Amino acid sequence: DAMVIQNPRYQVTQFGKPVTLSCSQTLNHNVMYWYQQKSSQAPKLLFHYYDKDFNNEADTPDNFQSRRPNTSFCFLDIRSPGLGDAAMYLCATSRDSRRDEQYFGPGTRLTVT
Amino acid sequence: EDQVTQSPEALRLQEGESSSLNCSYTVSGLRGLFWYRQDPGKGPEFLFTLYSAGEEKEKERLKATLTKKESFLHITAPKPEDSATYLCALPMDDYKLSFGAGTTVTVRA
Repeated sequence: DAMVIQNPRYQVTQFGKPVTLSCSQTLNHNVMYWYQQKSSQAPKLLFHYYDKDFNNEADTPDNFQSRRPNTSFCFLDIRSPGLGDAAMYLCATSRDSRRDEQYFGPGTRLTVT
Repeated sequence: EDQVTQSPEALRLQEGESSSLNCSYTVSGLRGLFWYRQDPGKGPEFLFTLYSAGEEKEKERLKATLTKKESFLHITAPKPEDSATYLCALPMDDYKLSFGAGTTVTVRA
């Protein structure tokens, strides 16, 4: 089945220790997204790629970076995680246009100790 | 300003007790409306896209409808496995989704 895969599902890191979360997709979608979701809140968009074109949300902290080396893979790098970065991180994809629905992966739960 | 509001915040149902969730919106130029289901600790699962007023979509016990100002998600004869948070979202100009706060549905056996 075509899908969005995230690894790892659970990640524990120490305060200030860099961490990388990964996402892959078999849908061959052009657009990939990274969201942060905290408890009882709606997902908050961090950035998205339209193909290789990177688009950062204005309020995304500089601590968050992303890479998309090819169509299938996208990475979220958190350079110096703080306690406030503990959250669920969701990867999503959409086919092409702004009207296309987004398909989400299962998420990575990040804990910062 | 574009806004998406969901009600109620929480809904507790007895198994078999049908009900409806509401998603009201104000947006300049509707590009569609999405419904998602989210289980605790998981990513949102896509359910429906509605593009124009009068459109309806169905999947098992769920039926989504759309008017010019709101969308309803009807749950017919719910089962405990229908317990989840249901999110509606509108696609914006900049590929961002404007999410409602969600309705958490609990269905008791």
